[in-house]
Amino acid sequence: EVQLVESGGGLVQPGGSLRLSCAASGFTFSTYTMNWVRQAPGKGLDWVSYISSSGGTTYYADSVKGRFTISRDNAKNSVYLQMNSLRDEDTAIYYCVTYSSSSDDAFDIWGQGTMVTVSS
Amino acid sequence: QSVLTQPPSVSGAPGQRVTIFCTGSSSNIGAGYDVHWYQQLPGAAPKLLIYGNTNRPSGVPDRFSGSKSGTSASLGITGLQAEDEADYYCQSYDTSLSGSVVFGGGTKLTVL
Repeated sequence: EVQLVESGGGLVQPGGSLRLSCAASGFTFSTYTMNWVRQAPGKGLDWVSYISSSGGTTYYADSVKGRFTISRDNAKNSVYLQMNSLRDEDTAIYYCVTYSSSSDDAFDIWGQGTMVTVSS
Repeated sequence: QSVLTQPPSVSGAPGQRVTIFCTGSSSNIGAGYDVHWYQQLPGAAPKLLIYGNTNRPSGVPDRFSGSKSGTSASLGITGLQAEDEADYYCQSYDTSLSGSVVFGGGTKLTVL
């Protein structure tokens, strides 16, 4: 079964750091690009970051550039999101997502999400 | 504000048809990028509903359809059912943005 499982969310103070993890199973992880998408409470979806299958190329939304770092470990079938200098507005459910060869480039594989709350 | 514009809400009675529009610009939908649609049921992760403007993944009923024209796209739902009550999001790409993935603001569908 194709699966993405996020972990690492929690409550953190403004200015703090958190590292999210996403464990993949059921597909050849090393051949898939990966993304993080977030959703603030009661709000819509926002793309956060992208990493290529090798890890050599990364992109970030302007709102997190310079504060968040995406990385991956293909040997561990995992992708990570290191979040530093967290702000109130980073409070959201963070989803690990990717797309398979059968969906063009649409996100057809989603994790269940992990909640990040930034609050003092 | 989202790069792609959707109505905040739509509604329809069971059995009726509703259409949700997604309006972009010449730097995203109008530039030829595909539009994808997602359904998010309450408390769940989003699920892919339509990809590549018009295609349905396996398991998605043919009551759901997508189309694209110019700088806009639309999602049509016929034979509305109570279980269709959810949030719907369009997604595309934008040449003017870093990483380029963009979502619409989402539309809440209420089945009356």
